[in-house]
Amino acid sequence: AQSVAQPEDQVNVAEGNPLTVKCTYSVSGNPYLFWYVQYPNRGLQFLLKYITGDNLVKGSYGFEAEFNKSQTSFHLKKPSALVSDSALYFCAVRDNTGKLIFGQGTTLQVKP
Amino acid sequence: NAGVTQTPKFRILKIGQSMTLQCAQDMNHNYMYWYRQDPGMGLKLIYYSVGAGITDKGEVPNGYNVSRSTTEDFPLRLELAAPSQTSVYFCASSYLDGSYNEQFFGPGTRLTVL
Repeated sequence: AQSVAQPEDQVNVAEGNPLTVKCTYSVSGNPYLFWYVQYPNRGLQFLLKYITGDNLVKGSYGFEAEFNKSQTSFHLKKPSALVSDSALYFCAVRDNTGKLIFGQGTTLQVKP
Repeated sequence: NAGVTQTPKFRILKIGQSMTLQCAQDMNHNYMYWYRQDPGMGLKLIYYSVGAGITDKGEVPNGYNVSRSTTEDFPLRLELAAPSQTSVYFCASSYLDGSYNEQFFGPGTRLTVL
């Protein structure tokens, strides 16, 4: 079955420290992967995507994600977290019917 | 550009009532989508459209209907509201296929069915 999993409901990190939000996926064929962010009472905003090419993808607001085919993972990273990065983060993968499957979301809490 | 707009922002319905959630985009996007977001469940696709006059079912279409008479508008209709339809509804659009490209989301409509 095609799926995407975000194993952590919440990630806590201190401001200035590096952050990682984890995502693993299961699809047949080549994966097309996305990260979206949702701030309180707002719609989702696109951060970055992996279609093909370099395994390290750079996106908006200083975020990047590392695609690892052998581990079927697409973890979101940032070298130095900001309090303003606190939000709900969603990983998504394209299924073989052309729809996006979203993970359940990970709340990132960055403390000053 | 206003982007993707949704109305209303909040609504409380009684069981069996009907309503239409409005969605409009001013970016001339061909693709439009309706999702529902339940706590801890991520987003589920309800319906989508690849252009005016063309709609198709997503993962959870039961209890909903859509139409796409113009490029700009993509209303979602609930005919007989049920408590299971209590959720936050998001409309999204993309210029090209949103399973390969960025989707732009509206601010959402929070619906409660009592």
